[in-house]
Amino acid sequence: ETGVTQSPTHLIKTRGQQVTLRCSSQSGHNTVSWYQQALGQGPQFIFQYYREEENGRGNFPPRFSGLQFPNYSSELNVNALELDDSALYLCASSFQEGGLQHFGDGTRLSIL
Amino acid sequence: GEDVEQSLFLSVREGDSSVINCTYTDSSSTYLYWYKQEPGAGLQLLTYIFSNMDMKQDQRLTVLLNKKDKHLSLRIADTQTGDSAIYFCAESTLEAGYALNFGKGTSLLVTP
Repeated sequence: ETGVTQSPTHLIKTRGQQVTLRCSSQSGHNTVSWYQQALGQGPQFIFQYYREEENGRGNFPPRFSGLQFPNYSSELNVNALELDDSALYLCASSFQEGGLQHFGDGTRLSIL
Repeated sequence: GEDVEQSLFLSVREGDSSVINCTYTDSSSTYLYWYKQEPGAGLQLLTYIFSNMDMKQDQRLTVLLNKKDKHLSLRIADTQTGDSAIYFCAESTLEAGYALNFGKGTSLLVTP
């Protein structure tokens, strides 16, 4: 148990739709990172939020966006969904930038 | 990020030692990590090592780092069937804002 919770656990959408995934950080953690894990692959870094500001981004298009709230919980939003967006989306929280990242169990997103 | 390479599959007998290997290419890696992923679950942080260390031991786990060869290994002593999972090697660098750069994972199968 890492104390990082994600919702929903599973989600099915169709191409072109929009989706919002949610993450609640471990208590005391002010940094949240999001990763995309395609089937059979390692997780790929999407972006990181520190104290409500995006402070790092991987190689993902602008239709992937996020928010971090004053209680350090976070959302990942994906617009104009594509079939290749089907993946496990993982959230990780850490005490600070560069701190050890602890992961939630992820949201499995399927695009039809 | 630069490539983190792992062998894809390892099979061992219960009670034997397992050694999972990883190579990385970013010489500025600050920390190197091992994560475990069981089916349908998120990532569990097993252990990590700072780049100026050669070895770290934590109960049944031993991490060895050869910085010259950019080689990281995870040894699991007395491997149990519950150790069957996918093991991910990951690196982080200050330049990348400590975002985790993962390998594709090694699937460990422990047979009775």
